[in-house]
Amino acid sequence: GNSVTQMEGPVTLSEEAFLTINCTYTATGYPSLFWYVQYPGEGLQLLLKATKADDKGSNKGFEATYRKETTSFHLEKGSVQVSDSAVYFCAYSGYNSGGSNYKLTFGKGTLLTVNP
Amino acid sequence: GAVVSQHPSWVICKSGTSVKIECRSLDFQATTMFWYRQFPKQSLMLMATSNEGSKATYEQGVEKDKFLINHASLTLSTLTVTSAHPEDSSFYICSARDLAGNSYEQYFGPGTRLTVT
Repeated sequence: GNSVTQMEGPVTLSEEAFLTINCTYTATGYPSLFWYVQYPGEGLQLLLKATKADDKGSNKGFEATYRKETTSFHLEKGSVQVSDSAVYFCAYSGYNSGGSNYKLTFGKGTLLTVNP
Repeated sequence: GAVVSQHPSWVICKSGTSVKIECRSLDFQATTMFWYRQFPKQSLMLMATSNEGSKATYEQGVEKDKFLINHASLTLSTLTVTSAHPEDSSFYICSARDLAGNSYEQYFGPGTRLTVT
């Protein structure tokens, strides 16, 4: 079935370090891909998205490229800040085997902690 | 734009009582809203898809008689946890899809933390 697999955390980095959180997906067709961020005690916020192959989503210094050949959508940031500490979820939206379209399927989330 | 609110943000109730959680799209119309449940340090689990004016579609394993969903208008969906038990304690999050916007994008509410004692 369709699924999203993302790098398990927790990930702990020092401020200004380079961040990569891997995400791969299994899906039929051409799903849209998303990264969501959840700060402590809050709901999810859309961080970035890509709707077709080779698209690059970017926001707040974060980037992810939709790679259809490797079915990946890895999240990167060149220099993390303490305020980036949060849980990051990779997700895709598309038709799934359940028959309901446009549902989001989430990865398990990766907790990022950035130390000063 | 595209703000979704939830009320209450947290609630504590006694076992056996019912609790209603509201999800509102504040500045757009949403024909479809989604209800998720999130356990500590885990991902979101889709419970049901709520369509305005029709019955909700529940995911496998979710008891529809326990988690009652009503989507009476284009800006409001409610989730009622009936006869709540401690195992229902969780973080409930709703999302909404903009009727006029991109079909793939969902906007999330801030979540409601339910504690059943």
